[in-house]
Amino acid sequence: GAGVSQSPSNKVTEKGKDVELRCDPISGHTALYWYRQSLGQGLEFLIYFQGNSAPDKSGLPSDRFSAERTGGSVSTLTIQRTQQEDSAVYLCASSFPKGVGGELFFGEGSRLTVL
Amino acid sequence: EDQVTQSPEALRLQEGESSSLNCSYTVSGLRGLFWYRQDPGKGPEFLFTLYSAGEEKEKERLKATLTKKESFLHITAPKPEDSATYLCAVLTGNQFYFGTGTSLTVIP
Repeated sequence: GAGVSQSPSNKVTEKGKDVELRCDPISGHTALYWYRQSLGQGLEFLIYFQGNSAPDKSGLPSDRFSAERTGGSVSTLTIQRTQQEDSAVYLCASSFPKGVGGELFFGEGSRLTVL
Repeated sequence: EDQVTQSPEALRLQEGESSSLNCSYTVSGLRGLFWYRQDPGKGPEFLFTLYSAGEEKEKERLKATLTKKESFLHITAPKPEDSATYLCAVLTGNQFYFGTGTSLTVIP
């Protein structure tokens, strides 16, 4: 596809369940970011992947959150034992191989609702 | 602490009524300032990148400017289709710091 693809677009889950959110970046983009956007809040950085380097996990809010990127392409964000405060839109973005400094291209987001 | 503040939080304009949105920042080692447009239920869409004070970029009715402490997004003669949330972000190191956005409504 031409853009960043995220799935599912909507996810409703019960408190305590695990969820997986998927991001398929633009082909050739080596940088990939995950952000969380809550109502009335700015985008909150979660994790950053650049090529084969170790990811920057400094934004992950707790050890219930983890992410991986397989083969330098598709990324999965996993939230274990979901809590109601995890409800938000999770946005994935990728950028050009010239490295960080270029604009981010965002997916449409995955809206997570924890009941 | 690196910070990005956008104002106003919300802005209502009559069609054709020009105005400006503000993004002020306090970061060390600014590598770039970015403006995005976000429509409801969508991901942010890139508009402009500014790299140094004094730089300006234009696209249709939008013009972005940058100083050492802030950026402005000027909207000239807006149309209803310009209604959206406008986000600014600053890049320092490998991190993008986003403001909370300005929600713009343009009334026909």
